[in-house]
Amino acid sequence: NAGVTQTPKFRILKIGQSMTLQCAQDMNHNYMYWYRQDPGMGLKLIYYSVGAGITDKGEVPNGYNVSRSTTEDFPLRLELAAPSQTSVYFCASQGIGNTIYFGEGSWLTVV
Amino acid sequence: DQQVKQNSPSLSVQEGRISILNCDYTNSMFDYFLWYKKYPAEGPTFLISISSIKDKNEDGRFTVFLNKSAKHLSLHIVPSQPGDSAVYFCAAYNAGNMLTFGGGTRLMVKP
Repeated sequence: NAGVTQTPKFRILKIGQSMTLQCAQDMNHNYMYWYRQDPGMGLKLIYYSVGAGITDKGEVPNGYNVSRSTTEDFPLRLELAAPSQTSVYFCASQGIGNTIYFGEGSWLTVV
Repeated sequence: DQQVKQNSPSLSVQEGRISILNCDYTNSMFDYFLWYKKYPAEGPTFLISISSIKDKNEDGRFTVFLNKSAKHLSLHIVPSQPGDSAVYFCAAYNAGNMLTFGGGTRLMVKP
């Protein structure tokens, strides 16, 4: 039972590089989310999607882009990585009901 | 403007005693509240939830209390066990159906 799968688990980027964090869910959930968690802080919503082809900004979208071409996949793109984007990133999905299910997280360091 | 606040960053409790984790919110439009538990290097996992039409929800050792007039909810764990040591996040739904998280409380249960 895979649930929400994120890759990579760990990544070190140089300033100015770009990368994509992958997220896939196998629960046929319509809603998907990307959060970041900084040390000692709560989870901040970056982007979310209510279904394939529909995305919207969350609380902290600057420096990121997303796409939702299928129900299963919701990749997060970092363009021109900056040290401020060093964080732990969590992808999540939500079906019918109010419970959100999280992936295991992706640890990103920008140096 | 933090709409969901967990004012205690950490809490230490003896095994077998009660753990009480608190959460305050400011948005009166929140109508559903959840608690998530997070172990290091893992994604948050859903623990328990409560609708605003209730003031208490119980699931085994975990009970969530909601005081709407005070805009306050609490999570009670009794008896506390060392395996309960984790970071606990409270979260609330706003009218836009996005989950807003508190900053988390690190619970340490001492054997």
